[in-house]
Amino acid sequence: DSGVTQTPKHLITATGQRVTLRCSPRSGDLSVYWYQQSLDQGLQFLIQYYNGEERAKGNILERFSAQQFPDLHSELNLSSLELGDSALYFCASSASGSSYEQYFGPGTRLTVT
Amino acid sequence: LAKTTQPISMDSYEGQEVNITCSHNNIATNDYITWYQQFPSQGPRFIIQGYKTKVTNEVASLFIPADRKSSTLSLPRVSLSDTAVYYCLVGDRSNYQLIWGAGTKLIIKP
Repeated sequence: DSGVTQTPKHLITATGQRVTLRCSPRSGDLSVYWYQQSLDQGLQFLIQYYNGEERAKGNILERFSAQQFPDLHSELNLSSLELGDSALYFCASSASGSSYEQYFGPGTRLTVT
Repeated sequence: LAKTTQPISMDSYEGQEVNITCSHNNIATNDYITWYQQFPSQGPRFIIQGYKTKVTNEVASLFIPADRKSSTLSLPRVSLSDTAVYYCLVGDRSNYQLIWGAGTKLIIKP
């Protein structure tokens, strides 16, 4: 158990809909990272937050947005969903903003039908 | 930005030492190299991190040559439970960009 929690574990929704994925980092960790992993593919870095502020952006679509709240939990919002958005979405946390020793959550499996 | 290249797959046998190499020709001065292990349907797990020369912990060693254009993850005496996908990550501490390799699928045979 990494100490990072993600909800929900599974999500099934229809094209065009909007969903919110939630992540709680390990106790004391200030950074949160979001990743997308499509079936049998590698990890695509989406975005990083550090202590409530956006720190780095990767390949995040404009239809996707995220935020980190004062209690350090984070949400990833996916809108106008397409079939190709079906994937595992992982959240990871780290102690600082520049540490790449990340601890990953169990992921949310999103299926868009 | 550095681009990382890893072999798509590797096979080995129980008890052998396995070396997985990642190429990162455009690595920048501030970039660190990190390796992760991922089992199916689980989040990746941190293995080891380094900047140069050699780093060793209880599960692996990481070798980085002087030019830092590649790195090699060494797993001593592998077992069947080491069958997994291994990713290298190059992280730039100056701009926080993360470049993940495509992953190496390691299969350990009895």
